[in-house]
Amino acid sequence: TQLLEQSPQFLSIQEGENLTVYCNSSSVFSSLQWYRQEPGEGPVLLVTVVTGGEVKKLKRLTFQFGDARKDSSLHITAAQPGDTGLYLCAGASGTASKLTFGTGTRLQVTL
Amino acid sequence: DTEVTQTPKHLVMGMTNKKSLKCEQHMGHRAMYWYKQKAKKPPELMFVYSYEKLSINESVPSRFSPECPNSSLLNLHLHALQPEDSALYLCASSQEGYTVNEQYFGPGTRLTVT
Repeated sequence: TQLLEQSPQFLSIQEGENLTVYCNSSSVFSSLQWYRQEPGEGPVLLVTVVTGGEVKKLKRLTFQFGDARKDSSLHITAAQPGDTGLYLCAGASGTASKLTFGTGTRLQVTL
Repeated sequence: DTEVTQTPKHLVMGMTNKKSLKCEQHMGHRAMYWYKQKAKKPPELMFVYSYEKLSINESVPSRFSPECPNSSLLNLHLHALQPEDSALYLCASSQEGYTVNEQYFGPGTRLTVT
């Protein structure tokens, strides 16, 4: 069984602070996605990383895929209240339809 | 257009009722999914349809019955549910047969079973 562990589980920070969320597994994934979900809404796809060591930037968000494609990180610079939500990583294996979702990180950014 | 729509947004039903959840996408995706999500937890996969055929059933109780009438529509028929089935039900779609399984989610249906 593939597992994706996220840390921390919960993070409460003030506006302007930086943070990093980690997504770790003992399994290799062919690709990994990061989603953000707001309360009562569906997850929204933020980014997909495919190549080991790959780094992608989306405005203040930086995503990295581990060299061995077993882990990933999400770094947010100068967090804003609009970044508040549940962050989920999800890994795909081969052409299988199933995604393995991480355990989730709940981020709260206050003024 | 990366939109997946779901109706209704909210649903309250009794344990003896029969209701259906609907999902639609027009992205040409041939894989569609139903997930169940409890508060503060990640989504749990229930069913996967690939080219309108059920390919994965994650041992879901028979009181949940999925249906895929065509490549754009996905239904989830509900009957004799239990209070513990109250949750956010999410539909998603993706291209099929690619190693990059980018799934696009709908806004969900908040189901309350009384």
